[in-house]
Amino acid sequence: GENVEQHPSTLSVQEGDSAVIKCTYSDSASNYFPWYKQELGKRPQLIIDIRSNVGEKKDQRIAVTLNKTAKHFSLHITETQPEDSAVYFCAASLSGNTGKLIFGQGTTLQVKP
Amino acid sequence: NAGVTQTPKFQVLKTGQSMTLQCAQDMNHNSMYWYRQDPGMGLRLIYYSASEGTTDKGEVPNGYNVSRLNKREFSLRLESAAPSQTSVYFCASSESWGANTEAFFGQGTRLTVV
Repeated sequence: GENVEQHPSTLSVQEGDSAVIKCTYSDSASNYFPWYKQELGKRPQLIIDIRSNVGEKKDQRIAVTLNKTAKHFSLHITETQPEDSAVYFCAASLSGNTGKLIFGQGTTLQVKP
Repeated sequence: NAGVTQTPKFQVLKTGQSMTLQCAQDMNHNSMYWYRQDPGMGLRLIYYSASEGTTDKGEVPNGYNVSRLNKREFSLRLESAAPSQTSVYFCASSESWGANTEAFFGQGTRLTVV
């Protein structure tokens, strides 16, 4: 079946440093790639997404890049802050525009003050 | 605007018991989903409903059934709970009418089967 691989599983950075999380997907028909942030005990919430017709998207301190040829996409967080500490999930849409997503395994980001 | 609301938030079941998780959304979304979240495995799709009146299996449907009662409500039923179904369950909804769009999640149901 289709899958999404996410790395690293844990990431620890100093406040102010950058953090990068990488994902690889297998479904060639994937056209939508969201990133979700989940704080402890809370629901996942969308922080940024990108569609297959765009190579890069930025929103303040976060950015996402997509390489369709290599089937890679990455999340970049600059100037990290303690409140960025959370679990981050990448996801890729499955074929067809039904909104079905396949998620990566998650990355626990710890930002040390 | 409540968004996506799930009930209950916590539940403990004995092996073999049955229960239904309820989910409702007030965003007039067409598509609804049930995911389970287990440590180190991300979120896995159990069932989804692309539109009112339709349901289909996701990655891990065994042991579950669903009902799309109307456009707002999508329930998940465990007929005979097993310890392997101990998990956190999330309901989600999205517009997804001709294009993939943001999925909004409920607050989750933490289910323990003993």
